[in-house]
Amino acid sequence: GQNIDQPTEMTATEGAIVQINCTYQTSGFNGLFWYQQHAGEAPTFLSYNVLDGLEEKGRFSSFLSRSKGYSYLLLKELQMKDSASYLCAVMDSNYQLIWGAGTKLIIKP
Amino acid sequence: IAGITQAPTSQILAAGRRMTLRCTQDMRHNAMYWYRQDLGLGLRLIHYSNTAGTTGKGEVPDGYSVSRANTDDFPLTLASAVPSQTSVYFCASSDGASGGGNEQFFGPGTRLTVL
Repeated sequence: GQNIDQPTEMTATEGAIVQINCTYQTSGFNGLFWYQQHAGEAPTFLSYNVLDGLEEKGRFSSFLSRSKGYSYLLLKELQMKDSASYLCAVMDSNYQLIWGAGTKLIIKP
Repeated sequence: IAGITQAPTSQILAAGRRMTLRCTQDMRHNAMYWYRQDLGLGLRLIHYSNTAGTTGKGEVPDGYSVSRANTDDFPLTLASAVPSQTSVYFCASSDGASGGGNEQFFGPGTRLTVL
């Protein structure tokens, strides 16, 4: 079967760095997405990785290792507004997104 | 303002009733999707449409139907609602059905409660 695993919840301090991991087992691979979802709102796109390595976009970076079925999202200089759920999703061989349950990130002052 | 709209925002529905959730996008995206999101679970695909006139079944299609008469609209119908269909429903669209990197844009969601 297809499976996306990510931690249920993480806590970090304002100004610090946090890494959210995602491991996956899917039928085929056509890229990995990270989305941010604030409570009661829709998911919004953060990043896309299809090749191994690190993609940096401002305070957010995303890493992919296809051989290990592993990705992480790195958030630097954390701000209170970064409190949200972070969703990992893999595009499978049918070009459908398979979603993880999301990681709720709590930022403390 | 470009984007996706959904209606209604929320709804309480008696079991056995028929309900249509509306979704409209003005980005001229080919592909559209319906997901449900339940606590502790990832988004689950109900139905999708790669282009106007075509639809396909996702992971959890039972009890739901869709149509795609034109590019902009993708309504989701619950023929006879059951309590297990209580969920938050998100409509999404993307520029292309295949090819990586096509991020999906989400509507604001419909919170549905079936009693």
